[in-house]
Amino acid sequence: GENVEQHPSTLSVQEGDSAVIKCTYSDSASNYFPWYKQELGKGPQLIIDIRSNVGEKKDQRIAVTLNKTAKHFSLHITETQPEDSAVYFCAASKDSGYSTLTFGKGTMLLVSP
Amino acid sequence: KAGVTQTPRYLIKTRGQQVTLSCSPISGHRSVSWYQQTPGQGLQFLFEYFSETQRNKGNFPGRFSGRQFSNSRSEMNVSTLELGDSALYLCASSPGTSGRNTQYFGPGTRLTVL
Repeated sequence: GENVEQHPSTLSVQEGDSAVIKCTYSDSASNYFPWYKQELGKGPQLIIDIRSNVGEKKDQRIAVTLNKTAKHFSLHITETQPEDSAVYFCAASKDSGYSTLTFGKGTMLLVSP
Repeated sequence: KAGVTQTPRYLIKTRGQQVTLSCSPISGHRSVSWYQQTPGQGLQFLFEYFSETQRNKGNFPGRFSGRQFSNSRSEMNVSTLELGDSALYLCASSPGTSGRNTQYFGPGTRLTVL
């Protein structure tokens, strides 16, 4: 089955710095890669996703890049703010209706003012 | 559109009891997936229902079961509770068709087994 590795497990940055979280996956058939943000006491919230026909996708301060050959994808957050502090999860699945998400173990991002 | 709702938000049970959790998906979504989240194992897939049929199942014992109703609402049941079943149980809904499988999560039900 699919296996997703996520690094780092914790990341501390100063407000205004950039943050990068990296994930690798094992199943070359996976072609859908979402990222979720989970704040304390809440469920995961989708922040951005990418499908394998696209190499990069941006949404304001957030971007995701995908390298299918190397089987890795990354989340980039620019101009970090204290409210970006949360746990971030990457996931992978096949892009069919019934595919299940396989999640990485999560990255705790702490943005200090 | 209202988001995914889960009830109850918190539950405390004792070993050996059973529990039923409920999930109401986003209006129009036909797929509901359930996940277990623990500090040690992270987010693990339990099962997925689409149009009242279980389409996919994770690697959990038969004590974990679920069902989906005609209005797409779903329930999951855990029988003979064990201490290790203490976790946050999340449900996620999606349209459930190819290319439209983005999953949106509810707030979860926090289950504590004593």
